[in-house]
Amino acid sequence: QKEVEQNSGPLSVPEGAIASLNCTYSDRGSQSFFWYRQYSGKSPELIMSIYSNGDKEDGRFTAQLNKASQYVSLLIRDSQPSDSATYLCAVISRYSSASKIIFGSGTRLSIRP
Amino acid sequence: AAGVIQSPRHLIKEKRETATLKCYPIPRHDTVYWYQQGPGQDPQFLISFYEKMQSDKGSIPDRFSAQQFSDYHSELNMSSLELGDSALYFCASSQWGASSGNTIYFGEGSWLTVV
Repeated sequence: QKEVEQNSGPLSVPEGAIASLNCTYSDRGSQSFFWYRQYSGKSPELIMSIYSNGDKEDGRFTAQLNKASQYVSLLIRDSQPSDSATYLCAVISRYSSASKIIFGSGTRLSIRP
Repeated sequence: AAGVIQSPRHLIKEKRETATLKCYPIPRHDTVYWYQQGPGQDPQFLISFYEKMQSDKGSIPDRFSAQQFSDYHSELNMSSLELGDSALYFCASSQWGASSGNTIYFGEGSWLTVV
């Protein structure tokens, strides 16, 4: 079992709809959770970070964290074609000095016009 | 704002040659990470440094070595290159204990092609 699991997709969503991306993690001690967007051949770009249970909103993006269920999600409202990319869920497994970040395999999102 | 700088952006080497990638972290960031991403794969953690000391090691081959220098820049040295080493290599940096929660920022990556 991978430490961070994502549905690889592709997830196809019509333009203007809500895209919902899900991620589960295995380490209950995980403290920090991130969503990165990666276009093909480009570096991951930080979209959202979340550290406590509940929702965190930033523009069209909402991150949701449920530590009891070891689940983190990303909602994208009013999806745009430019949102088409691979979305990587990332987790810092231990809040120790210089922890490494563990990535999921990514979910490919395709926004159809 | 300054970002993570990597060089070179593209590199072509032959099998069994040596390659060196450089990374300049965001100013005041004390931690550097190296990742390897093959085509269609998620980034794989190679190695990290905190305050110029190796802090964690992932799936880095013995043919590879890395270090962080006094100015916090880091270099990844790859020897006896193999075709399978062709990948996008990312450097990332973070500031331990920052209010941003140890958020990691990535450089643009260095494309290595081994022929």
